[in-house]
Formats: sequence, C-alpha cells, structure tokens
Amino acid sequence: SQQGEEDPQALSIQEGENATMNCSYKTSINNLQWYRQNSGRGLVHLILIRSNEREKHSGRLRVTLDTSKKSSSLLITASRAADTASYFCATDEYGNKLVFGAGTILRVKS
Amino acid sequence: NAGVTQTPKFQVLKTGQSMTLQCAQDMNHNSMYWYRQDPGMGLRLIYYSASEGTTDKGEVPNGYNVSRLNKREFSLRLESAAPSQTSVYFCATTKGGGETQYFGPGTRLLVL
Repeated sequence: SQQGEEDPQALSIQEGENATMNCSYKTSINNLQWYRQNSGRGLVHLILIRSNEREKHSGRLRVTLDTSKKSSSLLITASRAADTASYFCATDEYGNKLVFGAGTILRVKS
Repeated sequence: NAGVTQTPKFQVLKTGQSMTLQCAQDMNHNSMYWYRQDPGMGLRLIYYSASEGTTDKGEVPNGYNVSRLNKREFSLRLESAAPSQTSVYFCATTKGGGETQYFGPGTRLLVL
C-alpha cells in the first residue's frame, strides 16, 4: 500500500513560475522525504524533514510539514526547465522502510 | 566512489527464464533495498536487508528471492520470470532506518 499520495498528478508551468506539490500520508511518521526522478533515472534525494520540524529550506526548495493534517508540501521557486522531472514523497512508515507515493510529474516549459 | 551500481542495465527474458539482478554499494551502508517501478506508479518495495545477514519481505515479494552476499552486495533473483515482472528495478541503500536512501541507476527488465 502507498502511504504518501501526491497531488496534483501532473503539473505544467512556465519557466520562472513557482511549483507546489502536496503529499498526504496516513500514519505517524518520524520523517518525510522528497525525491526527484529524471526520466529513466534513479531517484535523487532532495530534502528530509523530521516530524518535529515545520519548515525546511534547501536552495530553491521549501518543504513544509503539518503533522496534525498528515500533509507536506514541496515548493520549487523560480522554476527552470531542468526542474522537469517526477517528484515523490516518502515516509518512514515502518522504521526501516520508506513508503513512496505515486509522484507528481512536473513539466517546466521554457 | 561509484555509490550504488546495478547490473545489467537492460535485460529481455522469456517467460519461465531465470535471472539475477546485481547491486553493489561502496558507501559502507548497512541497509539495502530492492524496489520495482511500474509506469505511472511510485516505487514498491520487494525485499530489503536491514543489515548484513538479514533479509525481509516488502510489499510485493512474490516471485522474487534475495541474497545479501556481504555488506556491499544485495542481489535479486527471479526464478521463473513472468510478464507481470516487466518493470524497472531499483536498488537503494541507506545507513539505517528511514533515513535518506541512495539509488542505483536501475535495471529495465522486459519479460516476453
């Protein structure tokens, strides 16, 4: 079963715009992570936010976590064509394991 | 350092054939994982190994076996391939627990 559910399934924006993706999950977590996957490649870790954190930044990325609503959002500011990829959230549902959502496909048009 | 490597990159099998997918990491991590990714879906965990000498089933273990050969290597075996096993297979590693995972480049498997 998939713990994280991303929304929207697909997003198309113009270069320079901001992109926001959301993730909802079902059970208690220790941390939530976001990964990026370029077409045909392995996943690359972007950011990890722990359950006692509400917001975290990394470059043009901003992640928020609301444990009361069991949801997280990933904001990419000033998007670039190179940001075109699939984005996945993952939660540590069972300690040793991560459970991944189905992902959001982001297309940034130049 | 290569990080996580997987072989082969691509494989075509006939139904009923067997094969082993290889994964190796040079990150000195304890935990290793095998996932499959089907079109339009996220990753589903097949098997994982929390530490050398241990393996556990994930969400979709049927039709697969694994071996944690040593700390560096974790292999995935399909004993009798089926078309439903057509997928992209990813190996990942982490130093432990639900921390950051580092992924290999994937193996694309087509079962005819």
